[in-house]
Amino acid sequence: SQQGEEDPQALSIQEGENATMNCSYKTSINNLQWYRQNSGRGLVHLILIRSNEREKHSGRLRVTLDTSKKSSSLLITASRAADTASYFCATDTGGGNKLTFGTGTQLKVEL
Amino acid sequence: DAGITQSPRYKITETGRQVTLMCHQTWSHSYMFWYRQDLGHGLRLIYYSAAADITDKGEVPDGYVVSRSKTENFPLTLESATRSQTSVYFCASSAYPGTSYEQYFGPGTRLTVT
Repeated sequence: SQQGEEDPQALSIQEGENATMNCSYKTSINNLQWYRQNSGRGLVHLILIRSNEREKHSGRLRVTLDTSKKSSSLLITASRAADTASYFCATDTGGGNKLTFGTGTQLKVEL
Repeated sequence: DAGITQSPRYKITETGRQVTLMCHQTWSHSYMFWYRQDLGHGLRLIYYSAAADITDKGEVPDGYVVSRSKTENFPLTLESATRSQTSVYFCASSAYPGTSYEQYFGPGTRLTVT
């Protein structure tokens, strides 16, 4: 069963705009991670937020976590064409670093 | 080069045949994982391994077999391939339970079962 569900499924923006993706999950987590996947490639880890953290930044990325609502958001500021990719949230519920992935958001950044 | 590699990158096989997908990592990571990616399902965990000779089932293990005789290798075998196993397969590793929870993914194997 899917632990994480992303919203929206697809997002198209202009270069320079901000992109926000949301992830909802069902059970308690140890941490939540975001990954990027370029077309035809493997996934690349972007950022991890632990269950006791509310917000985390890494470069142009900002992740928030609301454990009471079982939701997270990923904000990419000042988007570039190179940010075009699929973005997945993944939850770690503890016990062996097993991740459960959402279905992903396809982001397209147009010039 | 250091990293995680998968072979073959593309494979076409017939229903009923046995197929083995290879995964090799050079970091000596303890944990390794196999996922399949299908449209509408995201990535689903098939099997994982905490160390050599320690493996366990994930969410969708039926029809698959794994082994891990060496830390660096984690092959996935489809004993009798079915069309429903047509998918893109990703291997990953992580340094858990060290300082990092992130997983490092290979480039994937696109498998088509005809």
